[in-house]
Amino acid sequence: EVQLVESGGDLVQPGGSLRLSCAASGFTVSSSHMSWVRQAPGKGLEWVSFIYIGGTTYYADSVKGRFTISRDNSKNTLYLQMNSLRAEDTAVYYCARGQVTPGFWGQGTLVTVSS
Amino acid sequence: QSALTQPASVSGSPGQSITISCTGTSSDVGGYNYVSWYQQHPGKAPKLMIYDVSKRPSGVSNRFSGSKSGNTASLTISGLQAEDEADYHCSSYTSSSTLIFGGGTKVTVL
Repeated sequence: EVQLVESGGDLVQPGGSLRLSCAASGFTVSSSHMSWVRQAPGKGLEWVSFIYIGGTTYYADSVKGRFTISRDNSKNTLYLQMNSLRAEDTAVYYCARGQVTPGFWGQGTLVTVSS
Repeated sequence: QSALTQPASVSGSPGQSITISCTGTSSDVGGYNYVSWYQQHPGKAPKLMIYDVSKRPSGVSNRFSGSKSGNTASLTISGLQAEDEADYHCSSYTSSSTLIFGGGTKVTVL
């Protein structure tokens, strides 16, 4: 059974850092394009980042230079390192399998940026 | 890049058909057949309902259908049921090799 479980969300002060994890089962992260998508409270979905099978990465302009997507093949886990966090980064962060069409999503992890 | 444009809300009675629009530009919706639609119930993760404009994943009811004309994609729900009440989000691949979403549409079953 395909499963994605995000973790790492927390309350963090502006300017702080956080690393989100997305543990996959039922498939291999290294053999799939993977995405991070976020949803601010009461708002729509916002794409954050892709990592392609070959390792190429893409970022939304709103997070470029602050966030880094990566994966650990040995742990079958996707990561999102978030630095220089801002209030507007407050959201539920979802990892998803796929890039042009994120087809399977985890349940999300809440990141709150506030002093 | 601005979000794709969706109506904030659409409503219909049980058994009726409703259509949700998703308008972009030639750099996203109009330029690629990579439009997807997601259903999201409150507090839940999005669920893929339509991909590549009009394809349905296995297990999705055939009451859901997608289409595209120019820079506007559409999701039609036929035979509206109470369980269809949810938020619906469209997405499209873009010429910048990114993904863009719409603002979401709340569907209410009257």
